Amino acid sequence: GQQVMQIPQYQHVQEGEDFTTYCNSSTTLSNIQWYKQRPGGHPVFLIQLVKSGEVKKQKRLTFQFGEAKKNSSLHITATQTTDVGTYFCAGGAGRRALTFGSGTRLQVQP
Amino acid sequence: GAGVSQSPSNKVTEKGKDVELRCDPISGHTALYWYRQSLGQGLEFLIYFQGNSAPDKSGLPSDRFSAERTGGSVSTLTIQRTQQEDSAVYLCASSLRRSQGPRRDTQYFGPGTRLTVL
Repeated sequence: GQQVMQIPQYQHVQEGEDFTTYCNSSTTLSNIQWYKQRPGGHPVFLIQLVKSGEVKKQKRLTFQFGEAKKNSSLHITATQTTDVGTYFCAGGAGRRALTFGSGTRLQVQP
Repeated sequence: GAGVSQSPSNKVTEKGKDVELRCDPISGHTALYWYRQSLGQGLEFLIYFQGNSAPDKSGLPSDRFSAERTGGSVSTLTIQRTQQEDSAVYLCASSLRRSQGPRRDTQYFGPGTRLTVL
């Protein structure tokens, strides 16, 4: 079955440093979504990417969808303490439900 | 407007007992999903409902798990003869519709039910 892997599992950065999490699928995806889960909270939708090679930006967050539509990345520039949380990618393919990655937990040291 | 609500927020039960977890999706959302999240882990898909179609139960870990969705709205996840490994946060999500094409709707998550099996 479809598998979606995320790396790293955990990253600890100093405030102001950049952060990147990578998502890789075992199969070609039709779309990919990213969610953020704050500590003690529930996942909240951030963005969806559909097109091959697509790049979208939300303030300090940059999302990319690979040309082959099998990988994606989320890059945060100049992290802030408000960025703390776990970032999940979720891949969609055909009629199957989204497959979530294992998440990357980000810790930001003030 | 009102988001996805789940009840109870916390449930402590003894091994072997049955539990029912409830999800109220956003009004008008036709797709409903159940996930399980163990401490510090990712989201494990359990089941989803789309309108009147047969549910996709491919993620249910055992026949002790079942779910219903009545009237296309409220859903109940039932775990029979609970085991300690069932302890987790159970998250429900809904979306406006489950698109047929590549564009999928945003999933809106509820706050979850934290289940502890002693």
